Amino acid sequence: EIVMTQSPVTLSVSPGDTATLSCRASQNIYSNLVWYQQRPGQAPRLLIYGASTRATGLPARFSGSGSGTEFTLTISSLQSEDFAIYYCQQYTNWPRTWTFGQGTKVEIK
Amino acid sequence: QLQLQESGPGLVKPSETLSLKCTVFGASISSANYHWAWIRQPPGKGLEWIGTVYFSGSTYYNPSLKSRVSISVDTSKNQLSLDLSSVNAGETGIYYCASAPAGRHWFDPWGQGVPVTVSS
Repeated sequence: EIVMTQSPVTLSVSPGDTATLSCRASQNIYSNLVWYQQRPGQAPRLLIYGASTRATGLPARFSGSGSGTEFTLTISSLQSEDFAIYYCQQYTNWPRTWTFGQGTKVEIK
Repeated sequence: QLQLQESGPGLVKPSETLSLKCTVFGASISSANYHWAWIRQPPGKGLEWIGTVYFSGSTYYNPSLKSRVSISVDTSKNQLSLDLSSVNAGETGIYYCASAPAGRHWFDPWGQGVPVTVSS
């Protein structure tokens, strides 16, 4: 079973600054890595798939990178609506399973 | 535009079966373009994948839930169903349905979620 570990658990950032979130897989998942944003009281929203491809309409201040076991979500020029919880998710073909990380909360500093 | 809406009883007794529905709008649930999934979130905690059904009818379940879960599709009602048996209080939370593009492994869009409390 592949385990996804996100760090840090909480990230305190000032508006306008850059947030860097990490996600580590316990095994090689190639580029099968997805990022979601969840605002309070809302369903998760797709941000990044294939480790680095932005979802339709996502601002360019969101970027994803990495492959294998180490992945990063970078949010530059943080805006008020970006303060939320971010989850990474991986997909394994055999056995066919989907696994989420525990999340990183980006809060206002 | 594809939209999903979950529904079901908000309260389930321990040891009973949790049954939820997800109505799909904007696409046929039997379309070869989508897969369908259930994901849950305990209060204040992270996301847990429950299972996925492919348009082919193949189902894939979280190994930790496999013995108690069933996901199916009702094409006449354009609905996705979740049955989870022998529930306990730790399974209280928000239950989401979501779609995935066929052949892809990300979930988009998601329904708004339905809260479920397991309590006597």
